[in-house]
Amino acid sequence: GAGVSQSPSNKVTEKGKDVELRCDPISGHTALYWYRQSLGQGLEFLIYFQGNSAPDKSGLPSDRFSAERTGGSVSTLTIQRTQQEDSAVYLCASSSDSASGANVLTFGAGSRLTVL
Amino acid sequence: RKEVEQDPGPFNVPEGATVAFNCTYSNSASQSFFWYRQDCRKEPKLLMSVYSSGNEDGRFTAQLNRASQYISLLIRDSKLSDSATYLCVVNKGQAGTALIFGKGTTLSVSS
Repeated sequence: GAGVSQSPSNKVTEKGKDVELRCDPISGHTALYWYRQSLGQGLEFLIYFQGNSAPDKSGLPSDRFSAERTGGSVSTLTIQRTQQEDSAVYLCASSSDSASGANVLTFGAGSRLTVL
Repeated sequence: RKEVEQDPGPFNVPEGATVAFNCTYSNSASQSFFWYRQDCRKEPKLLMSVYSSGNEDGRFTAQLNRASQYISLLIRDSKLSDSATYLCVVNKGQAGTALIFGKGTTLSVSS
């Protein structure tokens, strides 16, 4: 598609359940980011994939969070044993970053996660 | 020191006013700088890149001061439609590192 696609757009789950959030970036974009935004807060960096390089996982808040990017395209963010504080909008973005510099990010519409 | 810091505001200004936002960053090796805009309940969108020599796009002017690790955004002749949150974005360090967002500065323009 023309833009970054995220699914589901809304997810309500019970505390303790696992959830998977999916991101389909713009075709050809080598860089993919996951951010988290809680209500009224800024964007919190979670993880950055750039081409074949090892991902920057430094923003993942705990070992319950993990992400994969298969074939340099689609990415899945997995949250295990969800907690109420995980409730937020999870935003995915992609760009044509290269090793020489960062380029403009295009964001998806986000996945709103509510943990009851 | 946080990686990217901004004054959260809110800035409340009348139409036609000039308003300036500031942002500081912690890593002197950072190389990529942007201002993004986020409307309520929407995803962020690029407002403008920030270049070393400073750059202007219509009513918007961005400046970079590497020595002070400081970025600014100036909005002239504010419009009602400028009401939004403005996000300062900086990469973590050398080229090829992740982009980090400041918490944003909220602007409200009133008639």
